[in-house]
Parts: sequence; structure tokens; C-alpha cells
Amino acid sequence: KQEVTQIPAALSVPEGENLVLNCSFTDSAIYNLQWFRQDPGKGLTSLLLIQSSQREQTSGRLNASLDKSSGRSTLYIAASQPGDSATYLCAVRPNSGYALNFGKGTSLLVTP
Amino acid sequence: SAVISQKPSRDICQRGTSLTIQCQVDSQVTMMFWYRQQPGQSLTLIATANQGSEATYESGFVIDKFPISRPNLTFSTLTVSNMSPEDSSIYLCSVAPRLGNTIYFGEGSWLTVV
Repeated sequence: KQEVTQIPAALSVPEGENLVLNCSFTDSAIYNLQWFRQDPGKGLTSLLLIQSSQREQTSGRLNASLDKSSGRSTLYIAASQPGDSATYLCAVRPNSGYALNFGKGTSLLVTP
Repeated sequence: SAVISQKPSRDICQRGTSLTIQCQVDSQVTMMFWYRQQPGQSLTLIATANQGSEATYESGFVIDKFPISRPNLTFSTLTVSNMSPEDSSIYLCSVAPRLGNTIYFGEGSWLTVV
């Protein structure tokens, strides 16, 4: 059974800092990996998707990397802003099917 | 992309009652899913909603408790039956569009059972 772990569980940084969120998974037989953002009491917003054959994806200040063989992904946020405060979830999709396996998330607080 | 509308967004329900959550997508999608997020926890897949046939449930979830319908390629409902306080959660509809690999989520339906 796929296990997805996210470290740290919570993170507080001052505005302007660059930061890295970590995601690890136990089964490397994945189709892709997706990073989401969740604001309190809200649904999920897709941030980045990395196919299993890719090494990284970038969108604005966000960069996600994938090392499938070691079962790791990182989400890099550059020049953090208070508006980045949210919970960030990592989810892997298996080779067969569409159901996502989620980590428990990293709760990020960016202070002004 | 896909725009997903869920109703209700929030509700407070009495113990023992049932509530149906609706999920409407702005385009035809291949797959629709229902997830649950209990307080402080991550998302857990309840079932895959299959168009024109019975839903496929994950371990620990049964049709009597969570009946699901999917009459067409843009709409699905999830009913939470005979609710107890343990059912207080956010219920999220998720879709896989026909093109692309990104999975999209609705805003969620936040249920509190009292």
C-alpha cells in the first residue's frame, strides 16, 4: 500500500524567505505526482503536476521536483508571501487507476 | 481544466438523518471521485463514481452508508446516510477530465453532525 509522508507537518517563516516542502512515497510505481494547496475550510487547488518521466515543473514562484527512484518530491517556494499561507498537500497517482494517495500536508504560515 | 460546483458548501445536520451532496462539472469528464477529509486528517478516497453503473467503493466504505449516483458525465451525488458525529468532515468531489492528467477538486461540502 502506498504511503505518502510530508515533512515538516508545520512551518512558519518570515515573508521573503525561500522554503522547501518535502514529500516521500514508498512505492515508486507512480504515474504522476501532484501538489495541491488547501486554504482553511476550502477545497484543493492544483499547483503543479509532475509526470513520472519528468524531473521538475515550474509555475511562477513554485518549483516542484521529482526523484521517482528514491521516492521523493520537493516543492520549492521562492520569495514567500503572506498569501502563500495554506496547507500544501502532496498526492501520488498509481500506474493503474486515478485514485490519489495523499500525504497529511504541510501547514505553512508566512508572517509579514 | 474543469470547474466543479458542489452543493451544499456547508450544513449542520441532525444525528440519524441523511444528506445528499451534489457535484456538477462544467465539462464531460472521464472519472469522478468522492473523498472525505476528517478534521485534522488528509484526504481519503470513498469511491469512484461510475457513469451508468454502481460505484466502486474503497475498503472501509459501503454503499448502504454512502450511496452514490452518476447519471451522466457531468454530474454525481453522494449521500451520507444515518449520520453520526463521526461523519463530520469535508466531502470533496474530484474529477479527471478527458484530456490531460491533472485531477481537479471541488470546493468541498463541510458537514457538521450534531
